[in-house]
Amino acid sequence: QSVLTQPPSVSAAPGQTVTISCSGSSSDIGNGYVSWYQQLPGTAPKVLIYENDKRPSGIPDRFSGSKSGTSATLGITGLQTGDEADYYCGTWAKSLGAYVFGAGTKVTVL
Amino acid sequence: QITLKESGPTLVKPTQTLTLTCTFSGFSLSTSGVVVGWIRQPPGKALEWLALIYWDDDKRYSPSLKSRLTITKDTSKNQVVLTMTNMDPVDTATYYCARIPPDWSSGYGDWGQGTLVTVSS
Repeated sequence: QSVLTQPPSVSAAPGQTVTISCSGSSSDIGNGYVSWYQQLPGTAPKVLIYENDKRPSGIPDRFSGSKSGTSATLGITGLQTGDEADYYCGTWAKSLGAYVFGAGTKVTVL
Repeated sequence: QITLKESGPTLVKPTQTLTLTCTFSGFSLSTSGVVVGWIRQPPGKALEWLALIYWDDDKRYSPSLKSRLTITKDTSKNQVVLTMTNMDPVDTATYYCARIPPDWSSGYGDWGQGTLVTVSS
């Protein structure tokens, strides 16, 4: 069971917007930075967002991140078929002295 | 260009010790702020963080696996090695090494392709 809670799946039509939530506690999300990772089928994860809301170079601005209190959100606008993937949130859990990931959210483009 | 690549056995027997090597290029683990970690993913399951090592040789381990893990670095060879003792079939997974860029406070910015390790007799 993951320390961080994500919905198992979200779906939307092409061009629409989806949001993925990541809920934690004051010992993890509430006390640090959140990253978001995209894992396309059969590939290694790729970071989309780091330090809550920063995009690495090369990541389109269709992807956005935010954090409020003990929760974080990943937003994907202008959904494309190529966005079908598993998405994971991650953060440092101070109380555990360990990095933790959410269980992942599968995004389906209808 | 930053690259990381995992190597090691693809098949290990139960109770054996697994040794995985992450060989990287494009950065040095002697540079202040650089961190390299290991993450694994059982087939069809979520990511699980295992361990990390800092440029200054500080180390952190997953609490649930701490007794079985050892992470070391060889700066001259640009390698990070993870050993996991007493392997069990539930340890079957793809093992990734990844780097936290020195100017990031958190988050794994660069990943290896992963290596699948199967534990079976």
